[in-house]
Amino acid sequence: DAGVIQSPRHEVTEMGQEVTLRCKPISGHDYLFWYRQTMMRGLELLIYFNNNVPIDDSGMPEDRFSAKMPNASFSTLKIQPSEPRDSAVYFCASSRGLAGYEQYFGPGTRLTVT
Amino acid sequence: RKEVEQDPGPFNVPEGATVAFNCTYSNSASQSFFWYRQDCRKEPKLLMSVYSSGNEDGRFTAQLNRASQYISLLIRDSKLSDSATYLCVVNSDSSGTYKYIFGTGTRLKVLA
Repeated sequence: DAGVIQSPRHEVTEMGQEVTLRCKPISGHDYLFWYRQTMMRGLELLIYFNNNVPIDDSGMPEDRFSAKMPNASFSTLKIQPSEPRDSAVYFCASSRGLAGYEQYFGPGTRLTVT
Repeated sequence: RKEVEQDPGPFNVPEGATVAFNCTYSNSASQSFFWYRQDCRKEPKLLMSVYSSGNEDGRFTAQLNRASQYISLLIRDSKLSDSATYLCVVNSDSSGTYKYIFGTGTRLKVLA
């Protein structure tokens, strides 16, 4: 069974450009999470979805960030316009449930904004 | 105070040593607990869940102390391949929604 799939694996862009990160969760998982990881702040939850509906987006840093989940097998995280401080590794994860269920992470997208 | 706190390390130990990590959490209503392992430039992967009665998986033992609000991970007979960052994860109910709160991780280096 395929794990969580993310693309691209690496993204280098210039400040001000739009960046779109993509994620395909594990089939049958009802929850999808977007995280950001930096050395300074560790792993931060940005937003999560349940059955394609955003449940908690309190971790989204600002209006430049938006996330969608148009169907059960696809989600995007968009940054527009991008800034150098957005440079980080962005992980997508999915799980069957919340309490007591483990999360499975994708390989991450390493974003560099110059 | 952070919701989940870990000693960042690094813990440098020789092969064959026993090493233990603790992780404290602030929400007494937290319901489930996990240890994840993250290798350099890789994604976190589940190492083990932590059950109230404590649980063991080979060389790894996890324990939960609800009274003192911490979980622990014990690694016996350390191998070079155990070198990684170990993330403590707490699943808490915050204002009606569950959240996974990750600690910042403890780095372990097992030395030959």
